[in-house]
Amino acid sequence: EVQLVESGGGLVQPGRSMKLSCAASGFTFSNYGMAWVRQAPTKGLEWVATISYDGSSTYYRDSVKGRFTISRDNAKSTLYLQMNSLRSEDTATYYCTREPGYLDYWGQGVMVTVSS
Amino acid sequence: DVVLTQTPPTLSATIGQSVSISCRSSQSLLDSDGDTYLNWLLQRPGQSPQLLIYSVSNLESGVPNRFSGSGSETDFTLKISGVEAEDLGVYYCMQATHAPLTFGSGTKLEIK
Repeated sequence: EVQLVESGGGLVQPGRSMKLSCAASGFTFSNYGMAWVRQAPTKGLEWVATISYDGSSTYYRDSVKGRFTISRDNAKSTLYLQMNSLRSEDTATYYCTREPGYLDYWGQGVMVTVSS
Repeated sequence: DVVLTQTPPTLSATIGQSVSISCRSSQSLLDSDGDTYLNWLLQRPGQSPQLLIYSVSNLESGVPNRFSGSGSETDFTLKISGVEAEDLGVYYCMQATHAPLTFGSGTKLEIK
């Protein structure tokens, strides 16, 4: 059974940093691209970043470029999202997703609240 | 960025009724590889989104066959043939043909 379990969320002050993790199991992690998608409270879904199966290629939405870094450790079957210079508009539930051209498995999500 | 316009924003249905949701794209979603990366997701209340349909009309494993997808280029439809109580939630279309990946604004299905 495919499982994606996010961790690392919480309350953080504007301008500070936070790192999210996503532990994957039930599939060969190193064979799949992965992505982070977020959802602000009561809002719709918004793609954040994607990483290729081997980590060689990464892609970001414009509003997080230069502030967020997606990475992976295939030996640990874990996906990461390093978030720096956080802003109030980054407040959202962040989902880890598997991305073989579509988003076929999602984690339960982790809440990130940026507030002073 | 590709804009996906979903209609209607809300939908109220009785059990057993058939309903359709439209998703229109600001650009053709036909990729140069011949595939069309238009997918449908359902987010039930308090849950993560789940994939229902990928590449316009392919039913994801485990998804009931009362769900079906159709369309091409810029105009797509999700149909539920015989709504059941468990179908309530917000339906999103999303495209992965053009970077960045984008989502529609959602259609909330309510059960009367």
